[in-house]
Amino acid sequence: AAGVIQSPRHLIKEKRETATLKCYPIPRHDTVYWYQQGPGQDPQFLISFYEKMQSDKGSIPDRFSAQQFSDYHSELNMSSLELGDSALYFCASSSRVSGNTIYFGEGSWLTVV
Amino acid sequence: EDQVTQSPEALRLQEGESSSLNCSYTVSGLRGLFWYRQDPGKGPEFLFTLYSAGEEKEKERLKATLTKKESFLHITAPKPEDSATYLCAVQPFGNEKLTFGTGTRLTIIP
Repeated sequence: AAGVIQSPRHLIKEKRETATLKCYPIPRHDTVYWYQQGPGQDPQFLISFYEKMQSDKGSIPDRFSAQQFSDYHSELNMSSLELGDSALYFCASSSRVSGNTIYFGEGSWLTVV
Repeated sequence: EDQVTQSPEALRLQEGESSSLNCSYTVSGLRGLFWYRQDPGKGPEFLFTLYSAGEEKEKERLKATLTKKESFLHITAPKPEDSATYLCAVQPFGNEKLTFGTGTRLTIIP
């Protein structure tokens, strides 16, 4: 079965640079979520989209922005990167129509040096 | 504010030694309680969703139960491949986000 696809899997950036993470949800899923997981931490909710509209917002820094495109893929843009942004970033997707089970991708490792 | 507390933080069991993991929660109105398994450096792998008190779900050696205040993940006769961090999360009504607990790191010793 198709899963949530994230790219890139690993990314190294310098401080103050910009990074973009991409997410391709499971086909026919209408909701996309972004989570951040620091080392030894639990995943923290950043933002979600339902049918390409922002539906909920968590602890997402103002330096970060996200959007969902017409083909339902989503991108998380992170600017003015700080060392503390180093983390595993997960995308997840679900379908309100078929049960709301939330499936996660394998994550994108961001290292800021 | 929604809160999830998992215990114990870490658990070491001998292969075949059954046990239970606890997830205590407070939420404004529970839409769903989720259990995930996470291996190091990997994404959370979905296990179960429970929606109402009294509900139980099973999958292989795992069984999840739900009350109005807590959920248990029972593991029966575990094998080394069951070693992972088990995460519990709640989703309230009218809200998209999952609030996670800090997880239980389970180690099964052969």
